Amino acid sequence: ILNVEQSPQSLHVQEGDSTNFTCSFPSSNFYALHWYRWETAKSPEALFVMTLNGDEKKKGRISATLNTKEGYSYLYIKGSQPEDSATYLCAFRTGNTPLVFGKGTRLSVIA
Amino acid sequence: SQTIHQWPATLVQPVGSPLSLECTVEGTSNPNLYWYRQAAGRGLQLLFYSVGIGQISSEVPQNLSASRPQDRQFILSSKKLLLSDSGFYLCAWSKILASEQYFGPGTRLTVT
Repeated sequence: ILNVEQSPQSLHVQEGDSTNFTCSFPSSNFYALHWYRWETAKSPEALFVMTLNGDEKKKGRISATLNTKEGYSYLYIKGSQPEDSATYLCAFRTGNTPLVFGKGTRLSVIA
Repeated sequence: SQTIHQWPATLVQPVGSPLSLECTVEGTSNPNLYWYRQAAGRGLQLLFYSVGIGQISSEVPQNLSASRPQDRQFILSSKKLLLSDSGFYLCAWSKILASEQYFGPGTRLTVT
């Protein structure tokens, strides 16, 4: 059974602070790592799909890195804003199998 | 462009009653379709996925079932709901099984 761990479970930061959280996954049989943002009362939205060791992706103030050899990915948010408040999910896959999601990190940005 | 619809948005059902949640996708053909559930305080759990009409894979044994009667229609059902079936149900689609998924608006189910 594939296990995807995310930490911390929840996080409160002040507006303007930068923050980061972790997704850990099995390092063997890696195919891809996905990050999603899930805002309250909305559907999860894809942020990044990462496939290569050392991959770095960026979208605005949000960026992610990937280490497939040690089985982790970091998501960074620079200068957090209240609209960044959401649950951030990572999902892992091996080959042609469905995504396995972590439980998410719930971020609250306080104005 | 592709859109995904789910209904109803919210549902309150008594224990032992049947369930039918529907999901449809527009703007694409032969999508891979998924049903997820998020129970209170839990992560997103994959319940079923389908790679084609009539093809259903179950990830977790439970009293729920899924059917895909048409290419872009995915239905989640139960003959008798349990309290533990309460949660937020999400339908999603993807172009291929392992690619990025696009989620519907979800159904909040409360079993009383």
